[in-house]
Amino acid sequence: DAGVIQSPRHEVTEMGQEVTLRCKPISGHDYLFWYRQTMMRGLELLIYFNNNVPIDDSGMPEDRFSAKMPNASFSTLKIQPSEPRDSAVYFCASSHRVGNQPQHFGDGTRLSIL
Amino acid sequence: QKEVEQNSGPLSVPEGAIASLNCTYSDRGSQSFFWYRQYSGKSPELIMFIYSNGDKEDGRFTAQLNKASQYVSLLIRDSQPSDSATYLCAVNRGNNDMRFGAGTRLTVKP
Repeated sequence: DAGVIQSPRHEVTEMGQEVTLRCKPISGHDYLFWYRQTMMRGLELLIYFNNNVPIDDSGMPEDRFSAKMPNASFSTLKIQPSEPRDSAVYFCASSHRVGNQPQHFGDGTRLSIL
Repeated sequence: QKEVEQNSGPLSVPEGAIASLNCTYSDRGSQSFFWYRQYSGKSPELIMFIYSNGDKEDGRFTAQLNKASQYVSLLIRDSQPSDSATYLCAVNRGNNDMRFGAGTRLTVKP
């Protein structure tokens, strides 16, 4: 079975540019999560969706960040405008709705804002 | 108080020894508990989960849960250099609302 698929794997862009990260969850999973990981702050939950509906976006750091899930197989995390402090590894994860299921992570997008 | 706390380490053990990793959590209503391993530059991968008080064994790994003390641990027996990684404790507070600890970095020395 295909795991969680994220793209791009690496992104380098200049400050002020718009950045779009993409995620395809595991088929049949009803929950999708976006995380950010840095050395200083560890793994932070940004937002999560259940059945394509955002449930908790309290981790989204600023209005510059937005996330959408237009259908069950695709989600985007957008940063506009980007800033150097947004540099981090962004992970997408998905899980099944039944019971307390573990989350399965994608390979992540390593984002560098110059 | 952080929701999920772990000693950041680094924890260093010799090859063949038992590595003990600890985690405490603040939400008494938490329902399930997970240990993830993350190699440098890689994504977290699930290695163990536990739902009930007591011990759960899987190969060289044992997860221990004490809900009264709000404490979860992971024991790695016969530690190998390939076990060197960061171990993340994760707590599901319900409705798949998962919170992660900062991770403990483990080094197993040959």
